[in-house]
Amino acid sequence: TQLLKQSPQFLSIQEGENLTVYCNSSSVFSSLQWYRQEPGEGPVLLVTVVTGGEVKKLKRLTFQFGDARKDSSLHITAAQTGDTGLYLCAGDLGGKLIFGQGTELSVKP
Amino acid sequence: DAGVIQSPRHEVTEMGQEVTLRCKPISGHNSLFWYRQTMMRGLELLIYFNNNVPIDDSGMPEDRFSAKMPNASFSTLKIQPSEPRDSAVYFCASSLAGPNSPLHFGNGTRLTVT
Repeated sequence: TQLLKQSPQFLSIQEGENLTVYCNSSSVFSSLQWYRQEPGEGPVLLVTVVTGGEVKKLKRLTFQFGDARKDSSLHITAAQTGDTGLYLCAGDLGGKLIFGQGTELSVKP
Repeated sequence: DAGVIQSPRHEVTEMGQEVTLRCKPISGHNSLFWYRQTMMRGLELLIYFNNNVPIDDSGMPEDRFSAKMPNASFSTLKIQPSEPRDSAVYFCASSLAGPNSPLHFGNGTRLTVT
C-alpha cells in the first residue's frame, strides 16, 4: 500500500512547456518535502512545506501544500532539459519520512 | 563539505553470500537513515538511528538484515545470507535532527545478487 501517491508516474514533454506533478494521500502530514533525483545519484532536497496552503517558489518551480496537509503539487514553468529527473515527494508521518514512488520527468529539446 | 559517503558504489555477489554496505554521514549530523530503492516499491525506509541509537527498524525486511552504528561517523548495513530479491540500490542519508530536517543522501550502493 502506497501512502503517498504521485501522478503522473511518467511525463515526457518538450522544452518550454509547463507541467504539474501531484502528490496525494489520505493521511495528514506534519510537513512535506520535495526531492529531485538524477540517475546514479541520491535524491536532493528542493523544498520543505509545513503550513497548510503554503506556496513556495524556487525559480521556475512552484510548490503548494494542500490546505488539509494531505496533498501537494509541483508546477514547473517553461521546462528546460536540465529539469529532467525523478521528482519525489516525502511526507513526515509521525516522525517517519515516507516517500512517494516518484514522477519520472523527461524534457526533450 | 564531503557529503554522505557510501561504499562500495556497486556490489555483485552470489546468493547466500554476506554483503556489507558502509556509510559515513555528514559530520555533525545526529540522524542516519538507510533506505532501499527499487522500481517496484520506490524508496523504502529500512532503519533510522538518532545519536547512534536505532530508533525505528520496522522497515528491516527480515532477520537477514542488520544495521549498526558504532560511532557518529560510521554505519553498516549487513545482509546475511543475501538473496536475489535483495537486489536494489541502497541509500544512506543523514540529517541534523531527525526526519523533520532535510535529508542528505549519499550516491547509493547498487547491489546485484545473482
